[in-house]
Amino acid sequence: GAGVSQSPSNKVTEKGKDVELRCDPISGHTALYWYRQSLGQGLEFLIYFQGNSAPDKSGLPSDRFSAERTGGSVSTLTIQRTQQEDSAVYLCASRPSTDTQYFGPGTRLTVL
Amino acid sequence: QKEVEQDPGPLSVPEGAIVSLNCTYSNSAFQYFMWYRQYSRKGPELLMYTYSSGNKEDGRFTAQVDKSSKYISLFIRDSQPSDSATYLCAMRKGFQKLVFGTGTRLLVSP
Repeated sequence: GAGVSQSPSNKVTEKGKDVELRCDPISGHTALYWYRQSLGQGLEFLIYFQGNSAPDKSGLPSDRFSAERTGGSVSTLTIQRTQQEDSAVYLCASRPSTDTQYFGPGTRLTVL
Repeated sequence: QKEVEQDPGPLSVPEGAIVSLNCTYSNSAFQYFMWYRQYSRKGPELLMYTYSSGNKEDGRFTAQVDKSSKYISLFIRDSQPSDSATYLCAMRKGFQKLVFGTGTRLLVSP
């Protein structure tokens, strides 16, 4: 079946602009995660949605970062007033109720 | 100190070699252990998923977990050039966030 999809695949923006990154999880998966992968670094957890529970935002690096998940499906990660250090690959993953996470291809964000 | 330590490599081996990839961790609460493979400019792909100490085999891949030593390994037998990728270990407790190693870059030469 279809996997996790993310859009856009690449995004180049200017410092100070806002960006929105989209994730379409696998149908029926109850949990959704956002991670960030910087060059030479491992994956850094950002935020986790599980059903109707309050999201775990403990990994968001600053208040410029926010995310929402509408209708328990699609999620959008928003970065306001982007900075050069925000340049990274942003990965989304979804998980069914009892299994582990399946990743999308990522969005490569470049902030000039 | 990072919760999960992984040698970044690169690890270069000839085709057909047995590859050993390893991670150590500090949090004894971790219960679930995974290995992901990531090709360049792609998302991580789940390779192996284990819960308990011991070995789990799937084709050419064997995952090994030693909770007493806080050490996990991935062995690849008869390595192929197509195995060239970055291998990420990951672990978690319950259904919380995954904690990843930095990844080991593997290069298998024909």
